[in-house]
Amino acid sequence: SQQGEEDPQALSIQEGENATMNCSYKTSINNLQWYRQNSGRGLVHLILIRSNEREKHSGRLRVTLDTSKKSSSLLITASRAADTASYFCAHMDTGRRALTFGSGTRLQVQP
Amino acid sequence: SQTIHQWPATLVQPVGSPLSLECTVEGTSNPNLYWYRQAAGRGLQLLFYSVGIGQISSEVPQNLSASRPQDRQFILSSKKLLLSDSGFYLCAWKWTSGSYEQYFGPGTRLTVT
Repeated sequence: SQQGEEDPQALSIQEGENATMNCSYKTSINNLQWYRQNSGRGLVHLILIRSNEREKHSGRLRVTLDTSKKSSSLLITASRAADTASYFCAHMDTGRRALTFGSGTRLQVQP
Repeated sequence: SQTIHQWPATLVQPVGSPLSLECTVEGTSNPNLYWYRQAAGRGLQLLFYSVGIGQISSEVPQNLSASRPQDRQFILSSKKLLLSDSGFYLCAWKWTSGSYEQYFGPGTRLTVT
């Protein structure tokens, strides 16, 4: 299976600013998910958006999905130093039972 | 509540030695189970997944194997480690049906020397 692509690979912002990460994929998907990984730790699920949804919110997170462009974005508003982590998108291809993960965006939020 | 355990947390093994990593899940039954490998600074590569005891799907041909001897136990093995097997190994589970989210264990850092 092919991994999705994420950009930017790394992002450094100041506390209080917004952070936007993008993800692209190549297949027909059932849903797309975003995960967070603190350094050296396991991944934590953040949010899931289904293929028939265009936008979803959860607290300071906003996810969009454009299936015609096969792309998604994750927006973190009013970032905090504690948001420093790597963020991965993952999609589930139609008919599959496993997720395909992107290469990730490393976010650094400067206090 | 559900919890997932992985051990060991870190492992240093010489080339050619065997490997056994264990993952167990508590608080659920008949979960889907997954093994991923993550190279430094990279995304996750799916290695194996299992939808039931004795049912293993392999995603990447290599010198690793997986087994599921019990409902909530998933084991990753190798008979002879290669340098390229170094990485961060993550186990994950999800409900059989009703949701798509995966829940990850803390991972095992494997260094092959």
